[in-house]
Amino acid sequence: QVQLQESGPGLVKPSETLSLTCTVSGGSVSSGSYYWSWIRQPPGKGLEWIGYIYYSGSTNYNPSLKSRVTISVDTSKNQFSLKLSSVTAADTAVYYCARVSYSGYNIDYWGQGTLVTVSS
Amino acid sequence: QSALTQPASVSGSPGQSITISCTGTSSDVGSYNLVSWYQQHPGKAPKLMIYEVSKRPSGVSNRFSGSKSGNTASLTISGLQAEDEADYYCCSYAGPYVVFGGGTKLTVL
Repeated sequence: QVQLQESGPGLVKPSETLSLTCTVSGGSVSSGSYYWSWIRQPPGKGLEWIGYIYYSGSTNYNPSLKSRVTISVDTSKNQFSLKLSSVTAADTAVYYCARVSYSGYNIDYWGQGTLVTVSS
Repeated sequence: QSALTQPASVSGSPGQSITISCTGTSSDVGSYNLVSWYQQHPGKAPKLMIYEVSKRPSGVSNRFSGSKSGNTASLTISGLQAEDEADYYCCSYAGPYVVFGGGTKLTVL
């Protein structure tokens, strides 16, 4: 059974960089059958795709966030990570890491989500 | 890249059928048979219910079905049950991006 677990600070100051890591168990980030993705959900609002990475390191980001986002993968630790720079209160959200089918772009496994609040 | 359009809310009585629409454009829903649907209960992570327009993952009830016509995809839930009350999100590949719908709150009366 594949499991994903987000970790990182729950509180980030405005203008700083949000950093989260997703640890994958029961599966491998080196699998060529999947992308690894970050998705967020502001409180009381809908889902927003942030971006995804392939094991090779190739990435695609939401154009609205592209200038601030970096997603990286560490195959030796079976982890992938998110960095979002210059955060504001609008970046307050539950952040999910997820596994995405390479062929179908469907998200079959999700982490439990972690709330990140941007506040001074 | 704009969000897909879903109704904010739908409702139905137990045993009835409801349909949730998801309208995109020729750049996303209309171009790819890569529409998926997710169910989200309060405080929980979303769950995949339908993928590639009409396929059901193992373990998902056959009361859930999906379809697509042109730029609009649809999720139909038949034989509504109390546990179906949740938020539902559509999602489409929009080469090379991914876009979600705004979400629909399903109330079982």
